[in-house]
Amino acid sequence: GAVVSQHPSRVICKSGTSVKIECRSLDFQATTMFWYRQFPKQSLMLMATSNEGSKATYEQGVEKDKFLINHASLTLSTLTVTSAHPEDSSFYICSAGFVTGTNTGELFFGEGSRLTVL
Amino acid sequence: SQQGEEDPQALSIQEGENATMNCSYKTSINNLQWYRQNSGRGLVHLILIRSNEREKHSGRLRVTLDTSKKSSSLLITASRAADTASYFCAFGRTGTASKLTFGTGTRLQVTL
Repeated sequence: GAVVSQHPSRVICKSGTSVKIECRSLDFQATTMFWYRQFPKQSLMLMATSNEGSKATYEQGVEKDKFLINHASLTLSTLTVTSAHPEDSSFYICSAGFVTGTNTGELFFGEGSRLTVL
Repeated sequence: SQQGEEDPQALSIQEGENATMNCSYKTSINNLQWYRQNSGRGLVHLILIRSNEREKHSGRLRVTLDTSKKSSSLLITASRAADTASYFCAFGRTGTASKLTFGTGTRLQVTL
């Protein structure tokens, strides 16, 4: 299957700093990427849908100014957690896939990034 | 909540036994997918079943879909210790813009 690379896999930062997570599709062009957040032993919660060349679509309850998403090319989307606080500590996962109209097919996931805010 | 519900939440079996997980949802869907997640890792796609399909097989995996009951099941036959992971169903809701909604997950433990 297609390969999605996510970096960094782990990051520890001080409260108040910003952290950028990158998601790259290595062998295909992803017009759409998705960012998820996962708490321990829980399911994935969609944060936003990242569309190449346009603004991201955020899910209800997700702060746009807190979680900045940029999808500047067909192979790269970034999530920046701004002014991070301990409650932002979580496992963040990106995915990319082939979308036809409103029908989403198989998604390819990155390995996730574990953020710990001290 | 529009999230899919899975049961059981946790399942422990011995190697060689079959494992069955169930997923229920509340909306109309385009397709339903199953994913596997090893602890602390990303998700791996296992199988996709379209809304007009009733059953699908892939190796030791068998997936059924009953759109009238809004439910799906994943059967893993002849389980192995390496099958130990969390399994999530995910579905694309009709009319939503190209996103998947994930179920609550089943944690499968396969012991020797």
